[in-house]
Amino acid sequence: QKEVEQNSGPLSVPEGAIASLNCTYSDRGSQSFFWYRQYSGKSPELIMFIYSNGDKEDGRFTAQLNKASQYVSLLIRDSQPSDSATYLCAVNGGAAGNKLTFGGGTRVLVKP
Amino acid sequence: EAGVAQSPRYKIIEKRQSVAFWCNPISGHATLYWYQQILGQGPKLLIQFQNNGVVDDSQLPKDRFSAERLKGVDSTLKIQPAKLEDSAVYLCASSLLGGMGTEAFFGQGTRLTVV
Repeated sequence: QKEVEQNSGPLSVPEGAIASLNCTYSDRGSQSFFWYRQYSGKSPELIMFIYSNGDKEDGRFTAQLNKASQYVSLLIRDSQPSDSATYLCAVNGGAAGNKLTFGGGTRVLVKP
Repeated sequence: EAGVAQSPRYKIIEKRQSVAFWCNPISGHATLYWYQQILGQGPKLLIQFQNNGVVDDSQLPKDRFSAERLKGVDSTLKIQPAKLEDSAVYLCASSLLGGMGTEAFFGQGTRLTVV
């Protein structure tokens, strides 16, 4: 079992719709959860992080964490063509300590 | 604030040759990461330093890869000898402490092609 799993996609969403991305992790003791966006040929950049159960909103982005079910999700509201990118879930804490582990990423395509 | 600096940006070498990558983290960042990202995959952690000590190198192929972080600042990653499967982007990242909730900032990466 991979430490951090994501559906590779592509996830195709029409412009203006909500994109929903999921991530599951294997280490129950994980403490911090990050969503990074990576444009083709570019480096990952942080969108947001979360470490408490529940929702965290930042602009058009909402991260949701459920530690009991070991999943974290990212919602992108009012999706724009500029949101087309690969979204990487990353986790640290737990048995892995401060090691920052990434999932394989979900490619999102927003169609005008 | 200057970002994470990496060089070179691109490198093409023949298999069995050696190559080295350099990274200068953001000033004051204690934690430095080297990731390998193969096309279409997520970044894979090769080695993580806290100051000049190694926190994790469990996925570093130690028979051919080595890394050091002298004086707890900049770092080099070396591959010797290179194999075709080492073709990837090598990303360096740094964070303030590396603990819970600390954001990792990435450099632009070095794209390595082994032919």
